[in-house]
Parts: sequence; structure tokens; C-alpha cells
Amino acid sequence: DQQVKQNSPSLSVQEGRISILNCDYTNSMFDYFLWYKKYPAEGPTFLISISSIKDKNEDGRFTVFLNKSAKHLSLHIVPSQPGDSAVYFCAALPGTYKYIFGTGTRLKVLA
Amino acid sequence: DTEVTQTPKHLVMGMTNKKSLKCEQHMGHRAMYWYKQKAKKPPELMFVYSYEKLSINESVPSRFSPECPNSSLLNLHLHALQPEDSALYLCASSPRGGGRKLFFGSGTQLSVL
Repeated sequence: DQQVKQNSPSLSVQEGRISILNCDYTNSMFDYFLWYKKYPAEGPTFLISISSIKDKNEDGRFTVFLNKSAKHLSLHIVPSQPGDSAVYFCAALPGTYKYIFGTGTRLKVLA
Repeated sequence: DTEVTQTPKHLVMGMTNKKSLKCEQHMGHRAMYWYKQKAKKPPELMFVYSYEKLSINESVPSRFSPECPNSSLLNLHLHALQPEDSALYLCASSPRGGGRKLFFGSGTQLSVL
């Protein structure tokens, strides 16, 4: 039973354009969400997070949007760069320690 | 400093070996975690220590034994592993229990022969 879903296993985007990665969750009790970027054989790197009391959070090229009624969040990367090519995981924190990760979306930014 | 340091980066061991993975953070975080990640899968929680006490054990087999000697260090002792235990083992930490952002180390790539 996958409580956090990333339905697109992969995404290709042209350099300079916007990348939009999506994530859906099932439990309305989730109150904190995070995005991570991961290169092969490395640990995930924290990118950006959002609390359920907000609907948008921005950090440089990265913006996360949260739609609580749809139980949906998205990560926007503008402009996309070749170095952004990686696997992106969304995660939800329903309580204290048990972060729940999605299955990941592989982003490829084409030069 | 937002670094979680893991050693070794790579480890190959036989099924009868005993080895340990080490993790260190100096961010003053009081929750530390072990995750296991297989290729093309999300990280899978194994253990959580909060204030140096084991808080969560996700029904991990006893051939994996965690230890938290102090607030900065976390070890994972390995004994009699199986080939299916081959994976990337990730250590992570977060601020005082329940802190929100989770910071990962670079992982130990473990191969069990």
C-alpha cells in the first residue's frame, strides 16, 4: 500500500525549460513534505520542504506547491540545468520519525 | 556544517564475516537513522535512535545490530548476512526528536558474496 506515489518514473526536459515533478499522497494526516535529489550510489540530498500550513515554498530555482484538497504536491525547477539530472524523491512525514518516500522520478535534462 | 559522514563507502563481505558500518554527524541532531536502499527503490527505514535510545526497529533481522555510542555516532554491526542484503545503507539525522528535515550521508554500498 503505497501512501506516497510518484506516478511518473521518468521525465525528460530541455535545458532552460521548466521541470515539473509530481507526487500524490493518500493520508490527510501528513503535515510535512520534503523533496530529495539522488545521484547513483550516493545518499539523497535535501532540496526543499513544505509544511501543510503553506501552499508554496520557494528556494532559488526550486519551488514546491502543495494542494491539500487534492493531496498533491509538485516540485518546479526553473530553469532546468543538465546537473539537475538525477532521481527525485518526495517524502511525507506523518508523525515524528517515519518518513515515507515515494518511488522516485528520474529526471533527465537534455543539453 | 550539514554533513553526515559514513564509512566505509564500499564494503564487500562474505556470509560468515562480521563488519560494522559507521556514521557520524556534528550538527547536534538528536535523532539518527539507518535506511536501506535497493536500486530503483525508495529508502526503507530500518532503525531510529532518539536521544541515543532505540526508538524504532522496523522488524529488521537480528543479523543487523545497531548501536548509538553517543549523540554524534551511529554504528550498524553486520553478521552472517545474506546476498539479498546487498544494498546501499544510508545513515541520516534530524534535529531534536521529531525535527523535520532529514539529512542523509553518502551511504555505504554493501555487497554480500
